[in-house]
Amino acid sequence: AQSVTQLGSHVSVSEGALVLLRCNYSSSVPPYLFWYVQYPNQGLQLLLKYTTGATLVKGINGFEAEFKKSETSFHLTKPSAHMSDAAEYFCAVSEGGYNKLIFGAGTRLAVHP
Amino acid sequence: DAGVIQSPRHEVTEMGQEVTLRCKPISGHNSLFWYRQTMMRGLELLIYFNNNVPIDDSGMPEDRFSAKMPNASFSTLKIQPSEPRDSAVYFCASSLSGDFSYEQYFGPGTRLTVT
Repeated sequence: AQSVTQLGSHVSVSEGALVLLRCNYSSSVPPYLFWYVQYPNQGLQLLLKYTTGATLVKGINGFEAEFKKSETSFHLTKPSAHMSDAAEYFCAVSEGGYNKLIFGAGTRLAVHP
Repeated sequence: DAGVIQSPRHEVTEMGQEVTLRCKPISGHNSLFWYRQTMMRGLELLIYFNNNVPIDDSGMPEDRFSAKMPNASFSTLKIQPSEPRDSAVYFCASSLSGDFSYEQYFGPGTRLTVT
Protein backbone atom coordinates (compact mmCIF):
# COMPACT_ATOMS: atom_id res chain seq x y z
CA ALA A 1 0.00 0.00 0.00
CA GLN A 2 1.07 3.54 -0.69
CA SER A 3 2.16 5.86 2.10
CA VAL A 4 3.69 9.31 2.51
CA THR A 5 6.05 10.62 5.17
CA GLN A 6 6.70 14.31 5.57
CA LEU A 7 9.77 15.01 7.66
CA GLY A 8 9.23 17.92 10.01
CA SER A 9 5.78 19.02 11.04
CA HIS A 10 7.04 22.60 11.39
CA VAL A 11 9.66 24.42 9.34
CA SER A 12 10.71 28.00 9.94
CA VAL A 13 12.76 30.09 7.50
CA SER A 14 13.73 33.69 7.09
CA GLU A 15 12.30 35.75 4.28
CA GLY A 16 14.55 35.31 1.25
CA ALA A 17 15.98 32.00 2.44
CA LEU A 18 15.70 28.65 0.70
CA VAL A 19 12.58 26.63 1.43
CA LEU A 20 13.00 22.84 1.58
CA LEU A 21 10.08 20.63 2.59
CA ARG A 22 10.77 16.93 2.62
CA CYS A 23 8.53 14.15 1.39
CA ASN A 24 9.22 10.44 1.07
CA TYR A 25 6.75 7.97 -0.30
CA SER A 26 6.27 4.28 -0.61
CA SER A 27 4.48 2.80 -3.57
CA SER A 28 4.39 -0.56 -5.25
CA VAL A 29 3.62 0.99 -8.63
CA PRO A 30 5.04 4.02 -10.46
CA PRO A 31 3.65 6.85 -8.38
CA TYR A 32 1.87 10.02 -9.22
CA LEU A 33 3.00 12.62 -6.66
CA PHE A 34 1.51 15.90 -5.56
CA TRP A 35 2.13 18.90 -3.37
CA TYR A 36 -0.84 20.84 -2.08
CA VAL A 37 -0.83 24.08 -0.09
CA GLN A 38 -3.41 25.16 2.47
CA TYR A 39 -3.62 28.78 3.52
CA PRO A 40 -5.40 29.58 6.80
CA ASN A 41 -9.13 28.95 6.71
CA GLN A 42 -9.01 27.72 3.12
CA GLY A 43 -9.16 24.43 1.27
CA LEU A 44 -6.19 22.68 -0.28
CA GLN A 45 -4.83 24.01 -3.53
CA LEU A 46 -2.60 22.12 -5.95
CA LEU A 47 0.96 23.48 -6.11
CA LEU A 48 2.43 20.95 -8.53
CA LYS A 49 2.30 17.34 -9.58
CA TYR A 50 4.47 14.66 -11.09
CA THR A 51 2.87 12.05 -13.31
CA THR A 52 5.37 11.03 -15.99
CA GLY A 53 8.21 12.59 -17.94
CA ALA A 54 10.55 15.23 -16.58
CA THR A 55 11.44 14.55 -12.97
CA LEU A 56 11.86 18.22 -12.07
CA VAL A 57 8.42 19.72 -11.86
CA LYS A 58 7.66 23.41 -11.61
CA GLY A 59 4.55 24.69 -9.92
CA ILE A 60 2.88 27.90 -8.96
CA ASN A 61 4.40 30.66 -6.85
CA GLY A 62 7.98 29.68 -7.72
CA PHE A 63 7.89 26.24 -6.13
CA GLU A 64 9.39 23.16 -7.70
CA ALA A 65 9.91 19.54 -6.75
CA GLU A 66 12.10 16.75 -8.00
CA PHE A 67 11.04 13.14 -8.24
CA LYS A 68 13.92 10.86 -7.25
CA LYS A 69 12.94 7.26 -7.69
CA SER A 70 16.13 5.87 -6.15
CA GLU A 71 15.49 7.85 -2.99
CA THR A 72 11.68 7.53 -3.10
CA SER A 73 11.55 11.25 -2.49
CA PHE A 74 9.65 14.24 -3.82
CA HIS A 75 11.01 17.21 -1.90
CA LEU A 76 9.54 20.67 -2.43
CA THR A 77 11.82 23.68 -2.81
CA LYS A 78 11.68 27.40 -3.43
CA PRO A 79 14.87 29.45 -3.79
CA SER A 80 13.66 32.49 -1.87
CA ALA A 81 10.87 32.44 0.71
CA HIS A 82 8.26 35.15 0.83
CA MET A 83 6.05 36.05 3.74
CA SER A 84 3.04 34.97 1.70
CA ASP A 85 4.41 31.41 1.54
CA ALA A 86 3.47 30.84 5.18
CA ALA A 87 0.96 27.99 5.02
CA GLU A 88 0.63 24.27 5.52
CA TYR A 89 1.97 22.01 2.79
CA PHE A 90 0.82 18.49 2.07
CA CYS A 91 2.55 15.85 0.00
CA ALA A 92 0.35 13.16 -1.54
CA VAL A 93 0.69 10.01 -3.63
CA SER A 94 -1.96 8.48 -5.85
CA GLU A 95 -3.22 5.07 -4.96
CA GLY A 96 -4.47 4.43 -8.43
CA GLY A 97 -8.02 4.04 -9.62
CA TYR A 98 -10.69 6.61 -8.85
CA ASN A 99 -8.02 9.25 -8.22
CA LYS A 100 -7.71 8.41 -4.54
CA LEU A 101 -4.81 10.27 -2.90
CA ILE A 102 -2.86 9.35 0.21
CA PHE A 103 -1.79 12.50 2.06
CA GLY A 104 1.11 13.07 4.39
CA ALA A 105 0.61 14.65 7.80
CA GLY A 106 1.54 18.09 6.52
CA THR A 107 4.33 20.57 7.19
CA ARG A 108 3.56 24.01 8.52
CA LEU A 109 5.89 26.60 7.03
CA ALA A 110 6.56 29.80 8.94
CA VAL A 111 8.39 32.69 7.29
CA HIS A 112 9.85 35.38 9.52
CA PRO A 113 11.29 38.76 8.56
CA ASP B 1 -15.78 27.55 -13.27
CA ALA B 2 -17.27 27.96 -9.79
CA GLY B 3 -15.10 25.29 -8.21
CA VAL B 4 -16.31 22.92 -5.53
CA ILE B 5 -19.06 24.49 -3.47
CA GLN B 6 -19.70 23.56 0.14
CA SER B 7 -22.42 24.70 2.48
CA PRO B 8 -22.69 25.84 5.11
CA ARG B 9 -19.23 27.35 5.65
CA HIS B 10 -19.72 27.33 9.39
CA GLU B 11 -22.03 25.25 11.54
CA VAL B 12 -22.47 25.40 15.28
CA THR B 13 -24.77 22.85 16.84
CA GLU B 14 -25.49 21.20 20.13
CA MET B 15 -24.55 17.67 20.98
CA GLY B 16 -27.20 15.21 19.86
CA GLN B 17 -28.44 17.27 16.95
CA GLU B 18 -28.36 16.14 13.34
CA VAL B 19 -25.91 17.90 11.06
CA THR B 20 -25.97 17.84 7.27
CA LEU B 21 -23.07 19.11 5.19
CA ARG B 22 -23.51 19.71 1.49
CA CYS B 23 -21.23 19.61 -1.50
CA LYS B 24 -21.57 20.47 -5.16
CA PRO B 25 -18.65 19.11 -7.19
CA ILE B 26 -17.19 20.70 -10.28
CA SER B 27 -19.42 20.06 -13.26
CA GLY B 28 -18.21 17.06 -15.26
CA HIS B 29 -16.23 15.52 -12.43
CA ASN B 30 -17.19 11.96 -11.60
CA SER B 31 -15.27 11.31 -8.38
CA LEU B 32 -16.12 12.93 -5.07
CA PHE B 33 -14.26 12.73 -1.77
CA TRP B 34 -15.17 13.72 1.79
CA TYR B 35 -12.32 14.54 4.20
CA ARG B 36 -12.16 15.57 7.82
CA GLN B 37 -9.35 17.72 9.20
CA THR B 38 -8.45 18.12 12.85
CA MET B 39 -5.33 19.23 14.68
CA MET B 40 -4.96 15.85 16.32
CA ARG B 41 -5.58 13.55 13.35
CA GLY B 42 -4.72 15.73 10.38
CA LEU B 43 -6.49 15.15 7.06
CA GLU B 44 -8.56 11.96 6.98
CA LEU B 45 -10.41 10.52 4.00
CA LEU B 46 -13.90 9.55 5.11
CA ILE B 47 -15.52 8.24 1.95
CA TYR B 48 -15.32 8.57 -1.79
CA PHE B 49 -17.72 8.09 -4.66
CA ASN B 50 -17.22 7.31 -8.30
CA ASN B 51 -20.09 7.90 -10.70
CA ASN B 52 -22.34 8.48 -7.66
CA VAL B 53 -21.54 5.06 -6.17
CA PRO B 54 -19.70 4.80 -2.84
CA ILE B 55 -16.43 3.01 -3.48
CA ASP B 56 -14.76 3.04 -0.10
CA ASP B 57 -16.32 4.15 3.18
CA SER B 58 -13.74 2.56 5.43
CA GLY B 59 -12.76 5.98 6.75
CA MET B 60 -16.21 6.75 8.11
CA PRO B 61 -15.67 6.80 11.87
CA GLU B 62 -18.88 5.12 12.97
CA ASP B 63 -22.52 4.53 12.18
CA ARG B 64 -23.41 8.07 13.19
CA PHE B 65 -21.86 9.20 9.90
CA SER B 66 -23.52 8.65 6.56
CA ALA B 67 -22.95 10.03 3.08
CA LYS B 68 -25.04 10.07 -0.06
CA MET B 69 -24.63 11.15 -3.62
CA PRO B 70 -28.08 11.12 -5.25
CA ASN B 71 -26.79 12.62 -8.48
CA ALA B 72 -23.62 13.83 -10.14
CA SER B 73 -23.97 17.36 -8.86
CA PHE B 74 -24.77 16.91 -5.18
CA SER B 75 -23.54 15.03 -2.14
CA THR B 76 -24.32 15.16 1.56
CA LEU B 77 -22.49 14.09 4.68
CA LYS B 78 -24.76 13.59 7.67
CA ILE B 79 -23.89 13.16 11.32
CA GLN B 80 -26.66 11.92 13.58
CA PRO B 81 -26.40 12.36 16.50
CA SER B 82 -23.50 14.77 16.62
CA GLU B 83 -20.91 14.73 19.39
CA PRO B 84 -18.30 17.30 20.48
CA ARG B 85 -15.52 15.09 19.11
CA ASP B 86 -16.99 15.56 15.63
CA SER B 87 -15.86 19.18 15.70
CA ALA B 88 -13.56 19.60 12.72
CA VAL B 89 -13.28 21.10 9.27
CA TYR B 90 -14.93 18.92 6.65
CA PHE B 91 -13.72 19.19 3.07
CA CYS B 92 -15.27 17.96 -0.11
CA ALA B 93 -13.10 17.41 -3.19
CA SER B 94 -13.86 16.31 -6.72
CA SER B 95 -11.88 15.00 -9.65
CA LEU B 96 -12.25 13.47 -13.08
CA SER B 97 -11.24 9.84 -12.82
CA GLY B 98 -9.90 8.25 -15.96
CA ASP B 99 -8.00 11.30 -17.12
CA PHE B 100 -4.88 10.01 -15.34
CA SER B 101 -4.09 13.38 -13.85
CA TYR B 102 -5.42 12.33 -10.43
CA GLU B 103 -5.77 15.94 -9.39
CA GLN B 104 -8.38 16.63 -6.74
CA TYR B 105 -10.03 20.01 -6.41
CA PHE B 106 -11.00 20.99 -2.89
CA GLY B 107 -13.85 23.08 -1.64
CA PRO B 108 -13.39 25.76 1.03
CA GLY B 109 -14.57 23.46 3.80
CA THR B 110 -17.26 23.49 6.46
CA ARG B 111 -16.11 24.29 9.98
CA LEU B 112 -18.29 22.27 12.37
CA THR B 113 -18.44 23.03 16.05
CA VAL B 114 -20.46 20.73 18.30
CA THR B 115 -21.02 22.04 21.81
